[in-house]
Amino acid sequence: DAKTTQPPSMDCAEGRAANLPCNHSTISGNEYVYWYRQIHSQGPQYIIHGLKNNETNEMASLIITEDRKSSTLILPHATLRDTAVYYCIVMDSNYQLIWGAGTKLIIKP
Amino acid sequence: NAGVTQTPKFRVLKTGQSMTLLCAQDMNHEYMYWYRQDPGMGLRLIHYSVGEGTTAKGEVPDGYNVSRLKKQNFLLGLESAAPSQTSVYFCASSYRTGGPYEQYFGPGTRLTVT
Repeated sequence: DAKTTQPPSMDCAEGRAANLPCNHSTISGNEYVYWYRQIHSQGPQYIIHGLKNNETNEMASLIITEDRKSSTLILPHATLRDTAVYYCIVMDSNYQLIWGAGTKLIIKP
Repeated sequence: NAGVTQTPKFRVLKTGQSMTLLCAQDMNHEYMYWYRQDPGMGLRLIHYSVGEGTTAKGEVPDGYNVSRLKKQNFLLGLESAAPSQTSVYFCASSYRTGGPYEQYFGPGTRLTVT
């Protein structure tokens, strides 16, 4: 089963772009990459997902490398409300999400 | 449209007591999930359901039972609570699994077993 690796924590200045990296070097060709975030122990919130192409929605952009071994979540203009734990996730062989410990992103004023 | 709701929000149990956590969703989703989250860790899947009347084990099923008698409800039971089951429990639902289907989460139930 594919697994992901993320830095445990990151800081970003308010108003700047936050770039969160994720390594998923064992991902298979048909597996999606999903990003969720969890704000202060609330229920996780879906952000974005991707397969091969870069994706953008109203919350974030997802850049996936051509070899699909890594990806970067970009929050273009981070605000204090973006302080959260961000999870980069792939699925196991039973199509269930595999959650790691995520990256704790702190947005500083 | 309430999304995913969980009852209760908080609970304290003594070792050996039993309880049932209720999850309800109003999005007509086929799939429902129960996760637990321990401090500083990601979520771990306890049980899930792919439709009314069906359930399956996840990563950490021991000590828990589930039932999905109605499509909109997914119940998680602890028959004999243990301190190791102190955790935050999240319920989620999705239209499908795999592919481009997101999971929607409830607010969580904080359970303490003394």
